[in-house]
Amino acid sequence: NAGVTQTPKFRILKIGQSMTLQCTQDMNHNYMYWYRQDPGMGLKLIYYSVGAGITDKGEVPNGYNVSRSTTEDFPLRLELAAPSQTSVYFCASSYSEGHTGELFFGEGSRLTVL
Amino acid sequence: GENVEQHPSTLSVQEGDSAVIKCTYSDSASNYFPWYKQELGKGPQLIIDIRSNVGEKKDQRIAVTLNKTAKHFSLHITETQPEDSAVYFCAASWLGGGADGLTFGKGTHLIIQP
Repeated sequence: NAGVTQTPKFRILKIGQSMTLQCTQDMNHNYMYWYRQDPGMGLKLIYYSVGAGITDKGEVPNGYNVSRSTTEDFPLRLELAAPSQTSVYFCASSYSEGHTGELFFGEGSRLTVL
Repeated sequence: GENVEQHPSTLSVQEGDSAVIKCTYSDSASNYFPWYKQELGKGPQLIIDIRSNVGEKKDQRIAVTLNKTAKHFSLHITETQPEDSAVYFCAASWLGGGADGLTFGKGTHLIIQP
């Protein structure tokens, strides 16, 4: 039982490049989330999904896109990387809505945009 | 929306002493308050949570207290050990708030001095 798996763990991008952060979970959770973590700023919700085919914006969605074609996978795409997107990104999943159930986090993906 | 303030941002205690981290929230409708622990290089992990129908909850060396009137809740760690060194996040949400309803504090870096 691997839980939530994120790839890559580290990535350096040039301004304007695009990339996709991969996230997969093997717990059959309906709810999945992408957060970004900046130093001293806590966790900010980027996008979330309540099930396959359904996605919605969180607090800081600008510059990102997501898709949810299967229950297991929830990739996060950065189309035109900007220095402001330098951050640590965490994918999470939960059995029930995040406000009432435990969130299971991946180990994070550290992205640097130069 | 909900606003969660967390203090202190850094806390250094001697091994064996107690540590207390405090959070306040703004939305009186919030009724679920989890605490997450993030070890270096890892994703956050739920360590304890409390719902608004109880005032205190304990799990071995950790406890959480809730004061709904004052809108604050606290994490208490007794007999601290080196493995307690981590970043701790409080969060708040309210039933019916949706999957995006969980708001995190900015985190407390707990340092256990040998």
